[in-house]
Amino acid sequence: QSALTQPASVSGSPGQSITISCTGTSSDVGAYNSVSWYQQHAGKAPKVIIYDVSSRPSGVSNRFSGSKSANTASLTISGLQAEDEADYFCCSYTRSYTYVFGTVTKVTVL
Amino acid sequence: QVQLVQSGAEVEKPGASVKVSCKTSGYAFINYHIHWVRQAPGQGLEWMGLIRSNGGHTQYAPNFQGRVTMTRDTSTATVYMELSNIRSEDTAVYYCGRELDLTFFFDYWGQGTPVTVSS
Repeated sequence: QSALTQPASVSGSPGQSITISCTGTSSDVGAYNSVSWYQQHAGKAPKVIIYDVSSRPSGVSNRFSGSKSANTASLTISGLQAEDEADYFCCSYTRSYTYVFGTVTKVTVL
Repeated sequence: QVQLVQSGAEVEKPGASVKVSCKTSGYAFINYHIHWVRQAPGQGLEWMGLIRSNGGHTQYAPNFQGRVTMTRDTSTATVYMELSNIRSEDTAVYYCGRELDLTFFFDYWGQGTPVTVSS
């Protein structure tokens, strides 16, 4: 199972919006609406920010939103803030009953 | 509150086995699957497998089949992950994560256990 493809880095100025893509195949991202996104600050454990493509857990800012089209999922961060500077990963359940993560995207707030 | 507390850092030689624990508390242990995910230095996350809430059945990622064993002790609400015949490429931080059945995401994570494989 190959890792899902994410851009290595995305940057933006405070207040701007950025979008991170997560490209898989019809066997993972395209198969189910079971895509989740995680934020990881340096030296910390990951934290879920989106599940089921576009749902937000309680307590997660509504500046985070998710969507999916065919085999590509996307995470949008609107109103970028300094605290959003972190690594972001997508994750998808697969037809093989396994999970696959994306390659890391480092978000930099300029 | 929900907590997943992992065992401490490990340093092992190539060819040895390493066993990491994940002690859970603050929720009904048998209602949640526990997954194991690892992160090599400077790399992304890699799913290793899970031990299911119902009956403790396990499922391992193909890359780890034959080398990983996940077990649990329901009396102490603790899950264990043992990786055998380890090599330098297994140097990573190992995380446990919780999933409510059929939700397909990990809502709480352990703090991570660094494992270093070095001769």
